[in-house]
Amino acid sequence: SQQGEEDPQALSIQEGENATMNCSYKTSINNLQWYRQNSGRGLVHLILIRSNEREKHSGRLRVTLDTSKKSSSLLITASRAADTASYFCVTLPGSARQLTFGSGTQLTVLP
Amino acid sequence: GAGVSQSPSNKVTEKGKDVELRCDPISGHTALYWYRQSLGQGLEFLIYFQGNSAPDKSGLPSDRFSAERTGGSVSTLTIQRTQQEDSAVYLCASSTTAGETQYFGPGTRLLVL
Repeated sequence: SQQGEEDPQALSIQEGENATMNCSYKTSINNLQWYRQNSGRGLVHLILIRSNEREKHSGRLRVTLDTSKKSSSLLITASRAADTASYFCVTLPGSARQLTFGSGTQLTVLP
Repeated sequence: GAGVSQSPSNKVTEKGKDVELRCDPISGHTALYWYRQSLGQGLEFLIYFQGNSAPDKSGLPSDRFSAERTGGSVSTLTIQRTQQEDSAVYLCASSTTAGETQYFGPGTRLLVL
């Protein structure tokens, strides 16, 4: 079964708007990571937030983590057409050694 | 410095043939992962190596799949008697240690006819 599940599955916004994606997971975690995958290309690591952190920023990215609700959100501000990609939430469960990927949110930023 | 590299970038094979996919991780990374991604789908974990420990093979879909990592560096994923459902992009990633940021290679696109 999936550990990380992204919501929504697809999101379409206008350039300049903010995009928010959510991720829910089931078991306790050590950390949670967000990755981006452009069509036909490899995955790129965006940001890692540890279980004892609540919020983290990196450029136009803001990630929050609520361990009590077992959820995380990724906010992309002032979106650009180049942000069009699939975004994956990835968790490292406390008792496992491998990361578990969700099925992703497909973000489309319209010019 | 060099990132994770994979070869070949594309592979077309006939059903029933064996294939070998190669991954060169970032130098010094002790953890190495193999994933499979079918068209439009998320990543499916296959196998994980950490240092000299026994690999975690819990994600391998069948005994036709195997992987090895020689000298703690290069890894080879072997698929025997390929089936059409094996067609996918096979991605390799490495990290400094387990659970840290994974750096992905460009993948090998496998097509089984």
